[in-house]
Amino acid sequence: AQSVAQPEDQVNVAEGNPLTVKCTYSVSGNPYLFWYVQYPNRGLQFLLKYITGDNLVKGSYGFEAEFNKSQTSFHLKKPSALVSDSALYFCAVRPQAAGNKLTFGGGTRVLVKP
Amino acid sequence: EAGVTQFPSHSVIEKGQTVTLRCDPISGHDNLYWYRRVMGKEIKFLLHFVKESKQDESGMPNNRFLAERTGGTYSTLKVQPAELEDSGVYFCASSPTWTNEQYFGPGTRLTVT
Repeated sequence: AQSVAQPEDQVNVAEGNPLTVKCTYSVSGNPYLFWYVQYPNRGLQFLLKYITGDNLVKGSYGFEAEFNKSQTSFHLKKPSALVSDSALYFCAVRPQAAGNKLTFGGGTRVLVKP
Repeated sequence: EAGVTQFPSHSVIEKGQTVTLRCDPISGHDNLYWYRRVMGKEIKFLLHFVKESKQDESGMPNNRFLAERTGGTYSTLKVQPAELEDSGVYFCASSPTWTNEQYFGPGTRLTVT
């Protein structure tokens, strides 16, 4: 069975500083990896995904994530955080070989202070 | 293009009552999924429809939960009778057949008192 760990419940960062949200996963076979963001009173919005190919994936709103197979990680990064990036971030995985269901991490709340 | 919509946005019911949640997927999306987030924990998969058929219902917690997708369009998730532990946010998502990306609705917050 697959699992996702987001070790930090909350990440605080000053506006303009780099932002990193950590994610590690466990899955049989090769993974599809996703990041979603939830703004207050909104649904989950897709940010980016890793399917295959280049380990560095670029997504919406200036976010990127790096797939590291040896460390089974898919950390989300943004070089310069904005106050508007404050939200709840979820990492998700599903095995390439079987099924469509996503397995999510517990979420990380990001607070960007001006 | 309209996104995934869910109704109601918030429901408060008493233990033992019945509640029905509705999801309207993006038009043309054959795949429809239900997930829920309970007590601030991780979002967990409930089930997956392909058109009107249940493809995977391995995440349904027990027989108090019944999901349907009439005609392969909108879907309902009924909880009967509701228990306190059913409180949480229920998300619906849809996707077309040619992509791995699932599009989520805003969720229904269910509170059972």
